[in-house]
Amino acid sequence: QQQVKQSPQSLIVQKGGISIINCAYENTAFDYFPWYQQFPGKGPALLIAIRPDVSEKKEGRFTISFNKSAKQFSLHIMDSQPGDSATYFCAASKGNYKLTFGKGTLLTVNP
Amino acid sequence: DAGITQSPRHKVTETGTPVTLRCHQTENHRYMYWYRQDPGHGLRLIHYSYGVKDTDKGEVSDGYSVSRSKTEDFLLTLESATSSQTSVYFCAISDPAGGRGDTQYFGPGTRLTVL
Repeated sequence: QQQVKQSPQSLIVQKGGISIINCAYENTAFDYFPWYQQFPGKGPALLIAIRPDVSEKKEGRFTISFNKSAKQFSLHIMDSQPGDSATYFCAASKGNYKLTFGKGTLLTVNP
Repeated sequence: DAGITQSPRHKVTETGTPVTLRCHQTENHRYMYWYRQDPGHGLRLIHYSYGVKDTDKGEVSDGYSVSRSKTEDFLLTLESATSSQTSVYFCAISDPAGGRGDTQYFGPGTRLTVL
């Protein structure tokens, strides 16, 4: 049972464009939704996170949109840059300090 | 990588041999985790620890054991390695103090190949 479904698997965007990655979850007990960024050969690093009491959180060019009724959340990368090329993982936690990860999205930003 | 080191960083071993991977942290975080990362599967939790000598299973724990004898070290052991355990293994840490227990910080990873 895949509790966090992430799409698309891969995404190609032109420099300056908007990258959008979507995740859907099933367990309504989830109350923490982080996004991680991973560069080749490195460990994942926390990018931005949201709790369900807000519908949107923005940090620089990165925004999480959260739709509690639809059980969906998404990552938007504005003005995408080649340096944003990486694998992105969404995740969810139900307050037990364990994360359930999506399968990842490989983002390529072309110059 | 938030004061987390993993050793070895790369290892090639043969089927049936025991393998131990080490995670060492300098952050004094209470929680430690072992994940494996495989193409098409994302990150899957193997085992985690919520304190010295306190450990529990994750979703893919079969064939793995762990030990934590002190706060800073978390060991992952493959008692008899199999080719299906070829993967990249990541250690992570988190600290519930201050309500940030859900925020996990990852180490650099260990690439394990079982021939």
